Amino acid sequence: DGGITQSPKYLFRKEGQNVTLSCEQNLNHDAMYWYRQDPGQGLRLIYYSQIVNDFQKGDIAEGYSVSREKKESFPLTVTSAQKNPTAFYLCASSFAHGYEQYFGPGTRLTVT
Amino acid sequence: SQQGEEDPQALSIQEGENATMNCSYKTSINNLQWYRQNSGRGLVHLILIRSNEREKHSGRLRVTLDTSKKSSSLLITASRAADTASYFCATAEANSKLTFGKGITLSVRP
Repeated sequence: DGGITQSPKYLFRKEGQNVTLSCEQNLNHDAMYWYRQDPGQGLRLIYYSQIVNDFQKGDIAEGYSVSREKKESFPLTVTSAQKNPTAFYLCASSFAHGYEQYFGPGTRLTVT
Repeated sequence: SQQGEEDPQALSIQEGENATMNCSYKTSINNLQWYRQNSGRGLVHLILIRSNEREKHSGRLRVTLDTSKKSSSLLITASRAADTASYFCATAEANSKLTFGKGITLSVRP
């Protein structure tokens, strides 16, 4: 059963703590993406990776970090430097840039 | 950076009616894609139209692309309550990542 998974679905953290969101795909896709979505807003790109061991900053990378050590996995760390981390985070993958993207179910992060 | 802009921002129709949503963009594109998002879920890819195509169909969906006007429309025919969702257009420039619009909220009243 091919797809892209994110865990956990809901995450609660105290301010000042780093937190890592998981994203795994078994679609054999080279490209993976992290987006942030705020209420009533579109998707804003945080980071993306076109190949293993390489990634680039998106439009709102400050306060976030990623790694791409395996093709299947692209975890996102929300650091304490991110000023407004409470949001809905979506991970996606695609065969390559510009192709259709497959999205995970999302992780809703609440920081208090 | 925002490329596609959808119009209207919100649309409310009766079940059985057609829903038309528009997307405008600014630069040359390789393709344009439409996605649907149900509340609290991930996006689902609906349809992709390439820059050399003018119209594409998929079930009750019809997408048109006018590259001279830099615009696209998504038509959902014979809408159902289950079509209630947010719809996003996304544009792909050559060798570049997708850029998503802010989305259109569609409500289909039973």
